[in-house]
Amino acid sequence: AQSVTQPDIHITVSEGASLELRCNYSYGATPYLFWYVQSPGQGLQLLLKYFSGDTLVQGIKGFEAEFKRSQSSFNLRKPSVHWSDAAEYFCAVVLDSNYQLIWGAGTKLIIKP
Amino acid sequence: KAGVTQTPRYLIKTRGQQVTLSCSPISGHRSVSWYQQTPGQGLQFLFEYFSETQRNKGNFPGRFSGRQFSNSRSEMNVSTLELGDSALYLCASSGRTVDTGELFFGEGSRLTVL
Repeated sequence: AQSVTQPDIHITVSEGASLELRCNYSYGATPYLFWYVQSPGQGLQLLLKYFSGDTLVQGIKGFEAEFKRSQSSFNLRKPSVHWSDAAEYFCAVVLDSNYQLIWGAGTKLIIKP
Repeated sequence: KAGVTQTPRYLIKTRGQQVTLSCSPISGHRSVSWYQQTPGQGLQFLFEYFSETQRNKGNFPGRFSGRQFSNSRSEMNVSTLELGDSALYLCASSGRTVDTGELFFGEGSRLTVL
């Protein structure tokens, strides 16, 4: 069955440090790929998306993600995190078989001052 | 442009009662999806409506139902509430094409079942 894996439930980084959140999917073809962020007490907001073309995509709030077909990965990165980045991050894919979003379990980002 | 609006934001019910949650999508959006979010189970897809028709359904019991009106507003209903139904219920709307997966979420309705 198709699935999305975010192997890290929690990640703690110091403010100003770089960040990489991992996302892997299992699917034969290239899906549509997304990263969403959920701040405490809020709904989810789209950070960035990949449909096709350049495998390095830029998003809002200084985030970027790189699609690597050979690794079935779509990792999220930010060169320098801010305390306001503390939130939960969700990776999701849309499979063209039924156009339904498959969600990862989320990674909670904690920022150390 | 107004975002997705969910009402009520918070509510408390007791076991056995029923609840109706409302979602007003972004103007012009025709697709509305509902999700249940809990600490233990994460984000779970309930159902999706497009032009008043249920297009996809998740793996939830029949106590969970929904509908969409001609103005794209959607409601979901949970009957015979159980303690395990306590969760944040998120609504999301989708615009130009529902098939891209780009969703716009409301802030959610937090349901507590006592």
